[in-house]
Amino acid sequence: GAGVSQSPSNKVTEKGKDVELRCDPISGHTALYWYRQSLGQGLEFLIYFQGNSAPDKSGLPSDRFSAERTGGSVSTLTIQRTQQEDSAVYLCASSLARTAWGGYTFGSGTRLTVV
Amino acid sequence: QKEVEQDPGPLSVPEGAIVSLNCTYSNSAFQYFMWYRQYSRKGPELLMYTYSSGNKEDGRFTAQVDKSSKYISLFIRDSQPSDSATYLCAMSEEDSGSRLTFGEGTQLTVNP
Repeated sequence: GAGVSQSPSNKVTEKGKDVELRCDPISGHTALYWYRQSLGQGLEFLIYFQGNSAPDKSGLPSDRFSAERTGGSVSTLTIQRTQQEDSAVYLCASSLARTAWGGYTFGSGTRLTVV
Repeated sequence: QKEVEQDPGPLSVPEGAIVSLNCTYSNSAFQYFMWYRQYSRKGPELLMYTYSSGNKEDGRFTAQVDKSSKYISLFIRDSQPSDSATYLCAMSEEDSGSRLTFGEGTQLTVNP
């Protein structure tokens, strides 16, 4: 597609439930990132995929969070046993290659609300 | 203390004003400095990036980096209502693998 596509755009879930967030990057982009944007916190790095290399998971806040990227394209971020503090906008971005200046294209995000 | 500090505002200016947005940081290893613009309910979009110290101009936008003071700025000249958005600074180290550290963002409103 023309841009990074994320689904769903909004998700309301009950505390304790599992959720899956999907990201469809720009075709041909080898690098894919997940960030979380909370009120008053800015964007927080979660995880980074580059081609077939092992992902950089150093930003995942707990073992309830996991992500995978299938076939070097679509990525899914899974949050298990959701907590209220998980409420945030989850942003996915992709780029052509790994560059220190980012060069990201962001999706519009998934707004997650845990009630 | 956060690695990158940015005043969240909100900042409200009249159309045509010069806007100054700023960030300070503590990590001296940061080498790349970026400014992103984020409209409501949209993802951030890259406005400009600079490497190390210096100035960079692109139309009405000028980015400045002062590494000695650990201080970066974005200036918007002749501001327009369409500039109303949240502006986020972001930074990375040379070998960060593209991992960016963002400021909280400054919410700007330009009034017609």
